[in-house]
Amino acid sequence: SQQGEEDPQALSIQEGENATMNCSYKTSINNLQWYRQNSGRGLVHLILIRSNEREKHSGRLRVTLDTSKKSSSLLITASRAADTASYFCATGDSYNQGGKLIFGQGTELSVKP
Amino acid sequence: GAVVSQHPSWVICKSGTSVKIECRSLDFQATTMFWYRQFPKQSLMLMATSNEGSKATYEQGVEKDKFLINHASLTLSTLTVTSAHPEDSSFYICSARSLAQETQYFGPGTRLLVL
Repeated sequence: SQQGEEDPQALSIQEGENATMNCSYKTSINNLQWYRQNSGRGLVHLILIRSNEREKHSGRLRVTLDTSKKSSSLLITASRAADTASYFCATGDSYNQGGKLIFGQGTELSVKP
Repeated sequence: GAVVSQHPSWVICKSGTSVKIECRSLDFQATTMFWYRQFPKQSLMLMATSNEGSKATYEQGVEKDKFLINHASLTLSTLTVTSAHPEDSSFYICSARSLAQETQYFGPGTRLLVL
């Protein structure tokens, strides 16, 4: 079953602009992770934010988490054509429950040169 | 970083045949492996969770007799699609994690086309 919604479903921007993707979820979580998938390929882990964290940075990526609203956002700054991909959030339950991830629907990002 | 491989990367088979997909963790011991399927333009759907040396736990709606999962070692899990039919055509992706990892590391996926 899917955890929740990602918004927008598709996003098209120009190189150099910032891209913001949002993710909402339904259940209590231990952590929330963001992944990228290039067309027809596997997933690449981008960043993990724990339920007791509010913001995390990694290079051009900034992730926020609001557990009261059950939502997260991924910001990619100064986007590049190589950032074109689908981006998925995934929520992790308690580690002791097997650590399975439930994925959102994904946002398809297109960065035009 | 941790590397997970899948083999084959793509397979075409006739309806009624069985197909085995391998998932290997190359540089770490994967106590848990996960199998997902993904239809075009859709998200990943978890099929089952596989712990080394024990039976896989299947998600609701996934037929365990149709999708046989074996996790016989800490570096290898296999998914066998038995008596494949055209509706089984999909992109199958595995992931792996160790006890020390919160993150799952994904394989490159296997594209299955059943004619």
